[in-house]
Amino acid sequence: TQLLEQSPQFLSIQEGENLTVYCNSSSVFSSLQWYRQEPGEGPVLLVTVVTGGEVKKLKRLTFQFGDARKDSSLHITAAQPGDTGLYLCAGAQTGANNLFFGTGTRLTVIP
Amino acid sequence: GAGVSQSPRYKVAKRGQDVALRCDPISGHVSLFWYQQALGQGPEFLTYFQNEAQLDKSGLPSDRFFAERPEGSVSTLKIQRTQQEDSAVYLCASSFRDRGLLSGANVLTFGAGSRLTVL
Repeated sequence: TQLLEQSPQFLSIQEGENLTVYCNSSSVFSSLQWYRQEPGEGPVLLVTVVTGGEVKKLKRLTFQFGDARKDSSLHITAAQPGDTGLYLCAGAQTGANNLFFGTGTRLTVIP
Repeated sequence: GAGVSQSPRYKVAKRGQDVALRCDPISGHVSLFWYQQALGQGPEFLTYFQNEAQLDKSGLPSDRFFAERPEGSVSTLKIQRTQQEDSAVYLCASSFRDRGLLSGANVLTFGAGSRLTVL
């Protein structure tokens, strides 16, 4: 059972378009991370957000942590083919030893 | 090495066979995690080690799954009497800190995974 639900599950867009991926839960997280995973590789950390309402920008990527720390979003501006991959959110909870991963969003950017 | 190394990268087993998957974490990393990732899904937690101590094995799906890290470095995930539902990518991750996930300071470095196919 995964605590974090991501939407959409699949997303195929043209190069240059904008997109938003959502990560939702009924549980509260102390921090939340976003990863990108390419085929045959392990997930690679993109960003960590720790404060409710926090917004972080990484070039064309904007990450937001919900005020109640139950949800997060990833917005990509002017998507490029190199953005193609599986995007995963992952949350940490007080007292837990591990990260809980979301269900994943597979993004394909068509040149 | 510079990263987390996992072997074998690919394993095909007949149902009922035992398999062993190895993880070489980054040297000096205290924490080691095993995750199971089904095709197209997010990783699901299996077990966590702090040095040689297995502090959490709540994610192991059955008693056929066993993990060890006897010297606090290399870890092995063993699956006995494999079943078709065990087919997945098994990911290993390590981190320098023993805690710190709450602050986001604990960065997990993942290996490329071992893809297990049970026929």
